[in-house]
Amino acid sequence: GQQLNQSPQSMFIQEGEDVSMNCTSSSIFNTWLWYKQEPGEGPVLLIALYKAGELTSNGRLTAQFGITRKDSFLNISASIPSDVGIYFCAGQMIGGTSYGKLTFGQGTILTVHP
Amino acid sequence: ETGVTQTPRHLVMGMTNKKSLKCEQHLGHNAMYWYKQSAKKPLELMFVYNFKEQTENNSVPSRFSPECPNSSHLFLHLHTLQPEDSALYLCASSQVGLAGFDEQFFGPGTRLTVL
Repeated sequence: GQQLNQSPQSMFIQEGEDVSMNCTSSSIFNTWLWYKQEPGEGPVLLIALYKAGELTSNGRLTAQFGITRKDSFLNISASIPSDVGIYFCAGQMIGGTSYGKLTFGQGTILTVHP
Repeated sequence: ETGVTQTPRHLVMGMTNKKSLKCEQHLGHNAMYWYKQSAKKPLELMFVYNFKEQTENNSVPSRFSPECPNSSHLFLHLHTLQPEDSALYLCASSQVGLAGFDEQFFGPGTRLTVL
């Protein structure tokens, strides 16, 4: 089945540093998504990418949909303590029996030291 | 209540017990999902319901039995579970339409421990 490899698995950074994480896939996706999960909560959507090569920003977050449609990265600039959490990438295929089905990466655990 | 709610938030059960997890979405969506989240593993899709009809069963053991009585409610009935079934069970909902992408909104999850 489809698999996503997300790296790094964890990051320990100082407040103010920039963060970068990425996902690669053995399969092509139509949509790439980045979610954040905080303790005791479900994942919350941060950024959605719809087209190969697309670069999208949401505040301090920037994500790109790889040109091959098999990878994506997420950057967080000038990190702050509330950025702590688990970040997941997810790929989605649109159409046919895969409609609505998300394939998730393993997650990147982010710790920010004040 | 707003968004997606799940009850109970925590559940401890023995292997011979029968229990049910409940999910309710207040977003007017037409699709609902069950996911399993285990430590150090990706979220695993278990079941998908579109318009109350089950459209996906991701090779889930029969000891997990979903029920979707209407588009707002989703249940996961549990019986004779195994310790390896201990995990966070997440419910999500979305609006499936012709445009393609449908953002899935997640509930807070039920933390299940099987003894």
